[in-house]
Amino acid sequence: EVQLVESGGGLVQPGGSLRLSCAASGFTFSSHWMHWVRQAPGKGLVWVSRIYGDGSSPTYADSVKGRFTISRDNARNTLYLQMNSLGAEDTALYYCTRGSTAAGNLGDYWGQGTLVTVSS
Amino acid sequence: DIVMTQSPDSLAVSLGERATINCKSSQSLLYSSNNKNYLAWYQQKPGQPPKLLIYWASTRESGVPDRFSGSGSGTDFTLTISSLQAEDVAVYYCQQYFFTPLTFGPGTKVDI
Repeated sequence: EVQLVESGGGLVQPGGSLRLSCAASGFTFSSHWMHWVRQAPGKGLVWVSRIYGDGSSPTYADSVKGRFTISRDNARNTLYLQMNSLGAEDTALYYCTRGSTAAGNLGDYWGQGTLVTVSS
Repeated sequence: DIVMTQSPDSLAVSLGERATINCKSSQSLLYSSNNKNYLAWYQQKPGQPPKLLIYWASTRESGVPDRFSGSGSGTDFTLTISSLQAEDVAVYYCQQYFFTPLTFGPGTKVDI
């Protein structure tokens, strides 16, 4: 059974940093592109970042470029999102999603999300 | 960036009746090399992550009831729930996965 479990969220002050993790199981992690998608409270879905299965070609939304870094450890089956210079606009539930074998940009499995709150 | 729009914002449908949600993209999502539309539909129930329902505009994900169907091509797409059930109350999002940044529609809330 495919499982994605996010962790690392919490309350952080503006300008602070946080690292999110997504532990994957039930599939060959290194064979799949992985994504982060966020959802502000009561709002819609916003794609944040993508990384290929071998860890190459990280890609970011303009709103996080230069502040966020996506990475993965295929030996540990874990996806990461390092978030720096956080602002109130980054407050959201952060989901990791698995890229489908049909199309790497298609998210076929989603975790339950980890909540990031940026506030003083 | 490709902009996705949806209509209506919300709709209320009686149990057993049809629900239709429209999605429009600012650019064509049809890739001529494989004749596939890079358009997906997701269902999100309160307190839950999104669930993939439809991809390639009309291919139902495994396990999704056949009352859900997708249609359309190019820039105009439709999600149809043929006979609404109580468990279908949710917000439905379309998404283009053709180009990064991947973009979602604003969502359509479906109620009884």
